[in-house]
Amino acid sequence: SQQGEEDPQALSIQEGENATMNCSYKTSINNLQWYRQNSGRGLVHLILIRSNEREKHSGRLRVTLDTSKKSSSLLITASRAADTASYFCATDAAYNFNKFYFGSGTKLNVKP
Amino acid sequence: DGGITQSPKYLFRKEGQNVTLSCEQNLNHDAMYWYRQDPGQGLRLIYYSQIVNDFQKGDIAEGYSVSREKKESFPLTVTSAQKNPTAFYLCASRGTGPYNEQFFGPGTRLTVL
Repeated sequence: SQQGEEDPQALSIQEGENATMNCSYKTSINNLQWYRQNSGRGLVHLILIRSNEREKHSGRLRVTLDTSKKSSSLLITASRAADTASYFCATDAAYNFNKFYFGSGTKLNVKP
Repeated sequence: DGGITQSPKYLFRKEGQNVTLSCEQNLNHDAMYWYRQDPGQGLRLIYYSQIVNDFQKGDIAEGYSVSREKKESFPLTVTSAQKNPTAFYLCASRGTGPYNEQFFGPGTRLTVL
């Protein structure tokens, strides 16, 4: 069964606003990864956060990880129309770091 | 130009036919993966391979088969036993170790007529 689950399922904001997406998972992990997918395309890796890290930044992206709550959040600051896409979190399992579980994603729409 | 290639981009199949999807990577990655994505859904793992000549079933392996004869290639065969094969298929690869990201190919959209 899938481990990572994102919420909200859909998010619509105006350009310039911040977007926050959340991910919850069920079992211990080695790392959690966030990906972006434009419609009909492959996934693009955004950021990886290790289980012993609490926060990580990459450009306009900020990811937090709370292992006690088994949850992560992705914040996109100063959003742009080009950020319109689906965003997925993926977790491995502490007992098998070669196997990944994806949630059903958050569909972000940034209106110009 | 390093990366993962999948071919074809679009594939049409008649019911009852087997079809093979190609995945090639030149990233020198040991691990390779096949996922299935249905409209509006996340990715589900079909098969994965951590090393040449070895592979493991994922969560939805029934009706699919794979081979890993070369490090750079991981073809997926969708057999006639797969009840609902119409979907978007994504291949990925990853370096060894627990802290490496997966890199994805552009995907193959399979439609059963």
